[in-house]
Amino acid sequence: DQQVKQNSPSLSVQEGRISILNCDYTNSMFDYFLWYKKYPAEGPTFLISISSIKDKNEDGRFTVFLNKSAKHLSLHIVPSQPGDSAVYFCAAGLLYNFNKFYFGSGTKLNVKP
Amino acid sequence: NAGVTQTPKFRVLKTGQSMTLLCAQDMNHEYMYWYRQDPGMGLRLIHYSVGEGTTAKGEVPDGYNVSRLKKQNFLLGLESAAPSQTSVYFCASSYRGQGTSGDYNEQFFGPGTRLTVL
Repeated sequence: DQQVKQNSPSLSVQEGRISILNCDYTNSMFDYFLWYKKYPAEGPTFLISISSIKDKNEDGRFTVFLNKSAKHLSLHIVPSQPGDSAVYFCAAGLLYNFNKFYFGSGTKLNVKP
Repeated sequence: NAGVTQTPKFRVLKTGQSMTLLCAQDMNHEYMYWYRQDPGMGLRLIHYSVGEGTTAKGEVPDGYNVSRLKKQNFLLGLESAAPSQTSVYFCASSYRGQGTSGDYNEQFFGPGTRLTVL
């Protein structure tokens, strides 16, 4: 049973608009959450993270929101750019558990010029 | 810094053959991991290591063995390859977790090895 779920396999957004990627998790004990970006034929690269003591973390155009009661996190990209087109994975785990994370199945974002 | 490197990039095996995938990192990370990525499944943890000489099982360890004889290297072995092991394999490494805010816990990934078992 998947502990981290990304229910939207794909998302298409116009350049300059907001992209919102969603992720749900089942284990209420998870206390650390991350987003990774992956281009074809490359490894995932770290984008942004958030610990459970926060509900929002920003880094430039990227903001991650955490709703612990709903066991839901989202990634906002504003404004979206064509170079953001990639597969985005969310991940969750327990802090201090050797940084072991469970990954979602990914959402493929297409930003149209 | 090269970061995390993986060898080879591509490999085709016949059922029953064996092979070893090599992962190397130059960031002095304590923790290292092997994942496989399959369509619609995301990344699943095969084995991991929290230090030189230590290994542990992840979510999908069957059919694989690992070794971490040196801190910078983490080897993944397939003793008798099966078509179900056709996948893209990623190695990752990370620092030991630091701080209550969770900073510096992210994993750094290699470019992947695409393995096909016929």
